[in-house]
Amino acid sequence: AQSVTQPDIHITVSEGASLELRCNYSYGATPYLFWYVQSPGQGLQLLLKYFSGDTLVQGIKGFEAEFKRSQSSFNLRKPSVHWSDAAEYFCAVGARETSYDKVIFGPGTSLSVIP
Amino acid sequence: GAGVSQSPSNKVTEKGKDVELRCDPISGHTALYWYRQRLGQGLEFLIYFQGNSAPDKSGLPSDRFSAERTGESVSTLTIQRTQQEDSAVYLCASSLSISGGLETQYFGPGTRLLVL
Repeated sequence: AQSVTQPDIHITVSEGASLELRCNYSYGATPYLFWYVQSPGQGLQLLLKYFSGDTLVQGIKGFEAEFKRSQSSFNLRKPSVHWSDAAEYFCAVGARETSYDKVIFGPGTSLSVIP
Repeated sequence: GAGVSQSPSNKVTEKGKDVELRCDPISGHTALYWYRQRLGQGLEFLIYFQGNSAPDKSGLPSDRFSAERTGESVSTLTIQRTQQEDSAVYLCASSLSISGGLETQYFGPGTRLLVL
């Protein structure tokens, strides 16, 4: 069965600084990988996803993530953080299970941005 | 078009009472998911629907929890004899289809349940 970990519970960065949120997964085959963001008072929104092909994936709001099979990682990056990026970030991994696709979410990383 | 909607947005109930939480998915989305998010924690998978059937109920925490979906549309999550540990935000998501790969899940705003 697949699983996903996010080693950092909480991260604080200064506005304008670069950001990297870590995500590690466990799955026997090539996984489907997602990053979702949950802003205060709002629902979860998909930032980006990886299914196959280019291992560097571009998403919305200037985010990107890189799939590294050798490290079982799918880290999320942004070159310059904005105050509005303060939110909870969830990595998720999906895989086929018999007749349907199951998605498992990580525990989340809370991002604070210092002005 | 309209996104996923959930009602009520907030629910306060007394321990031992039953509650019903409603989810209206995006029209045409055949897959529907329920998750629970306790304060400060991640998403806990509860149940998944494909059409009106539920091939995966493995996340339901106890037999006090049940869910149904009618007409490949609205879904209701019912919690019987609520306990204080049921207090959480209950999130619903829908996706276009489960065939041909994993689709993006579109989440509703959630129902915040507080059991006193």
